Amino acid sequence: DTGVSQDPRHKITKRGQNVTFRCDPISEHNRLYWYRQTLGQGPEFLTYFQNEAQLEKSRLLSDRFSAERPKGSFSTLEIQRTEQGDSAMYLCASSAIREAFFGQGTRLTVV
Amino acid sequence: GEDVEQSLFLSVREGDSSVINCTYTDSSSTYLYWYKQEPGAGLQLLTYIFSNMDMKQDQRLTVLLNKKDKHLSLRIADTQTGDSAIYFCAEEPQTGGFKTIFGAGTRLFVKA
Repeated sequence: DTGVSQDPRHKITKRGQNVTFRCDPISEHNRLYWYRQTLGQGPEFLTYFQNEAQLEKSRLLSDRFSAERPKGSFSTLEIQRTEQGDSAMYLCASSAIREAFFGQGTRLTVV
Repeated sequence: GEDVEQSLFLSVREGDSSVINCTYTDSSSTYLYWYKQEPGAGLQLLTYIFSNMDMKQDQRLTVLLNKKDKHLSLRIADTQTGDSAIYFCAEEPQTGGFKTIFGAGTRLFVKA
């Protein structure tokens, strides 16, 4: 399977805990995006990398959120001190030029 | 500001045409997209149109763009039950880097 893969697919955590998600993009894609999707809504942009450089961050990305893409390959999204409002589907996408390919997402539930 | 609006639901009979409408606010958007999301799956890019085009056809899909009214539509001919999904309209503002702004999605129900 050469698509975008995300791990884990599901995560249940207690409020206040830290969580980290991983995204492996399609290997030749230099652009990588993180989105958040809540029930009944479309994906909301969180952040964007070109190679290893994080070029844009949404205002939605509070200080508790951090994303990295070391060496311009896989990316991680960490949420510290999780809150119930962080419960959502976290989607990763990658692209070479125009078409973005999405992974199946990591569903986070904060209890 | 950047905003994309879509109707929430559409129900059609199998074999009929479906038309999903969308309005967007950023006139600088260079590309406009239609994505499909099936239950439990990620988003799949169906088609996109560049802002200097009025229409794009791809097999059963026809995209119409009215740039003056900032209105985008997706027509699915001969709709099948397998087309039941959520369809997202999205814009890529010219000033927004490469981020894409999505609508809330239109849930298409296809009745057999």
